[in-house]
Amino acid sequence: QSALTQPASVSGSPGQSITISCTGTSSDVGGYNYVSWYQQHPGKAPKLMIYDVSNRPSGVSNRFSGSKSGNTASLTVSGLQAEDEADYYCSSYTSSNSVVFGGGTKLTVL
Amino acid sequence: QVQLQESGPGLVKPSQTLSLTCTVSGGSISSGSNTWSWIRQPAGKGLEWIGRIYSSGSANYNPSLESRVTISVDTSKNQFSLKLTSVTAADTAVYYCARDWATRNWFDTWGQGTLVTVSS
Repeated sequence: QSALTQPASVSGSPGQSITISCTGTSSDVGGYNYVSWYQQHPGKAPKLMIYDVSNRPSGVSNRFSGSKSGNTASLTVSGLQAEDEADYYCSSYTSSNSVVFGGGTKLTVL
Repeated sequence: QVQLQESGPGLVKPSQTLSLTCTVSGGSISSGSNTWSWIRQPAGKGLEWIGRIYSSGSANYNPSLESRVTISVDTSKNQFSLKLTSVTAADTAVYYCARDWATRNWFDTWGQGTLVTVSS
């Protein structure tokens, strides 16, 4: 299975908003509402930030939001803060009854 | 709250079998409809889902690894395990175990990860 496509890097200044895209196919992102997003700081395990396309787990800031259109899902981080600087990964359920991740996006807060 | 902890050898020789165990604490591995996954991450690279197991013992695997992977569960010990055969340097990675809550295909709880290096 091929990894979902994410931009290698995005950046923004404190207080700004950024959006990270995650492109798949109709066999994964486009076919199911099982898209999730993870934040990973260096040397740490990933942390679930968004599940089922647009839902936030308890304790995750409402500055994080998710959406999907067709085969592309998106993660938006508004009101950027220094602590948001991290790697972000999307994932999706697939028609093969498996899970596929994106290649990851490095978010830099300028 | 549920916590996960990976354990196993940090060094494996090429062509041998990588074996890791994940111990679940703070809850039963058999509770609800949760499934339990292994995910790996080579240094400086992205995440790769390896496979998952249900408490019933049935499993699903990443098609690209399926021929070399076996995931099993021991409910009496509240553990699940990974075996990856015929390893090469390309299998060097941090290996994470994770809970897929209610089999919703997202991972809400992760272990801290364990580095496995394949080298002679």
